[in-house]
Amino acid sequence: GQSLEQPSEVTAVEGAIVQINCTYQTSGFYGLSWYQQHDGGAPTFLSYNALDGLEETGRFSSFLSRSDSYGYLLLQELQMKDSASYFCAVSEQYNFNKFYFGSGTKLNVKP
Amino acid sequence: DVKVTQSSRYLVKRTGEKVFLECVQDMDHENMFWYRQDPGLGLRLIYFSYDVKMKEKGDIPEGYSVSREKKERFSLILESASTNQTSMYLCASSSRGQGQGTYEQYFGPGTRLTVT
Repeated sequence: GQSLEQPSEVTAVEGAIVQINCTYQTSGFYGLSWYQQHDGGAPTFLSYNALDGLEETGRFSSFLSRSDSYGYLLLQELQMKDSASYFCAVSEQYNFNKFYFGSGTKLNVKP
Repeated sequence: DVKVTQSSRYLVKRTGEKVFLECVQDMDHENMFWYRQDPGLGLRLIYFSYDVKMKEKGDIPEGYSVSREKKERFSLILESASTNQTSMYLCASSSRGQGQGTYEQYFGPGTRLTVT
């Protein structure tokens, strides 16, 4: 089976940097994805990591350490519109297109 | 513009009714997914289809079935709705493969189902 752990809620101020962690346990890990979901909206894809290291996309970066079964999403220069829930999701080697999602982290950005 | 549509935004059904949730994607994706989303539990995979007429169970298939007769359409069926199936249901699609862009899932707007 699979299990993913991420903090349930994080609060930060506008302009700051915040890191959302995700630890996972899975048989035959393949890749880690991150999704953003605003209240009332659909999840939207942010990033994908299959190899160790940091992937940067604008203000957002995602990191993976396969040996530690750990990843994080880093949000820089926080804006009010970044207030949303963030989900990590893992896929497995035997079926790399099928993802299992964590329970999500609600990010509150304060002025 | 990529698009996943779901037949209803809100649905109210009675216990014991048969319920059909429809999902259509226009991206020619091989993979389609049904999730349910409940507060504090994240997205839980109900069923996954990787091709027409092909399906795999997810984490919580009990009480649900699916149908994929055409590539663009994936239906979720609640054979006999129960109150514990009250939830938000999200459909998603993705390309099949290992290359760039095949990992991104595109989600529909969701159907909020209430079973009374």
